[in-house]
Amino acid sequence: ETVLTQSPATLSLSLGERATLSCRASQSINFYLAWYQQKPGQAPRLLIYDASTRATGIPARFSGSGSGTDFTLTISSLEPEDFAVYYCQHRRNWPLYTFGQGTKLEIK
Amino acid sequence: EVQLVESGGALVQPGGSLRLSCVASGFTFSSYEMNWVRRAPGKGLEWVSYISSSGSSIFYADSVKGRFTISRDNVKNSVYLQMNSLRAEDTGLYFCARVALLKYHMDVWGKGTTVTASS
Repeated sequence: ETVLTQSPATLSLSLGERATLSCRASQSINFYLAWYQQKPGQAPRLLIYDASTRATGIPARFSGSGSGTDFTLTISSLEPEDFAVYYCQHRRNWPLYTFGQGTKLEIK
Repeated sequence: EVQLVESGGALVQPGGSLRLSCVASGFTFSSYEMNWVRRAPGKGLEWVSYISSSGSSIFYADSVKGRFTISRDNVKNSVYLQMNSLRAEDTGLYFCARVALLKYHMDVWGKGTTVTASS
């Protein structure tokens, strides 16, 4: 079973600052990692897949990097709508889908 | 417009049953794998169940295996989740999600339906 560990659990930043979120896999997953954003009471929104490919309609301030076991989601300059919970996700043989425990990005 | 709309969530007593539905529109439903994912209050996202495009392959998380059943009807563009022997820990917002073609990530999500298992 591949375990995804996200850090930090909570990140407090101000508007315009750069956010760096981490996701570490317990074994190599090549580049098969996706990132999602979720706001309270809303559906998750796909941001990044294949570690670094932005999904359709996602602003350029969101970028992903990494391969193997260490991955990063970067938001270059925080906008008010970026404050949310972020999850990484992988698919392997079993369990079929794995999510990280999430990083809450809050306004400082 | 590509869309997924869930329904069927309700307040139910522990031990009870519910059937969730998810209707798809705006895309060729029969070509896509589908998932159910939930988020319990105060917790993160948890994958619940998967069904292949034809319905021939099905998987469940250990936490629901033997109690939940996923199915689909490609004529009605719908995926279902039959939930039996509900427990308090099944409480949460349940989402259906489309798996991107030939990929592993979920590119379209519904808004969710709320399940509350409580006496």
